[in-house]
Amino acid sequence: SAVISQKPSRDICQRGTSLTIQCQVDSQVTMMFWYRQQPGQSLTLIATANQGSEATYESGFVIDKFPISRPNLTFSTLTVSNMSPEDSSIYLCSITKWGAGANVLTFGAGSRLTVL
Amino acid sequence: AQSVTQPDIHITVSEGASLELRCNYSYGATPYLFWYVQSPGQGLQLLLKYFSGDTLVQGIKGFEAEFKRSQSSFNLRKPSVHWSDAAEYFCAVPINDYKLSFGAGTTVTVRA
Repeated sequence: SAVISQKPSRDICQRGTSLTIQCQVDSQVTMMFWYRQQPGQSLTLIATANQGSEATYESGFVIDKFPISRPNLTFSTLTVSNMSPEDSSIYLCSITKWGAGANVLTFGAGSRLTVL
Repeated sequence: AQSVTQPDIHITVSEGASLELRCNYSYGATPYLFWYVQSPGQGLQLLLKYFSGDTLVQGIKGFEAEFKRSQSSFNLRKPSVHWSDAAEYFCAVPINDYKLSFGAGTTVTVRA
């Protein structure tokens, strides 16, 4: 199965700053996804990143706050802009692979951000 | 809309005892269903999936899950838990080809 590498694995950030999270996949994939997991919560999809086009954001998430890049078929970045303590979360990169009749989501290890 | 509910927020089990985590789904047709595990400080790992066919699905780490259409359930089980099974477990159902709706998660604590 595909290997997904994320960095940083964790960071402590100051309010008002921005941080970019990188996601590298060891194979070419059409779609990459960014999820957020707030403390004690389940996962919520932020956006879908396709190579060569603008990311598609889910309701409640906007490009100004979470700009995404997808320069090639193996790499994507998510920036969390103008951070506040409410942005303290685990951010996970994921991809889908077709297998046995359906798409299966595979996740990176996540980037745990703490905003002070 | 498709969704899953995990009724148990937290379960404590003794090492060596059996474990069952509940998941109920809301779906119009035969669903695809997934169980993921998130160990402390880690990302999510797929434990098992149900697409069709045999309603008893075997996964990794000794886990299995049974799809019961009559009860709209997909409960996860393990006959004998190990301390390393302490983690958070998420049930999930697809909303479309690539988006999953996750349950709220069940945290499992294993006591010696």
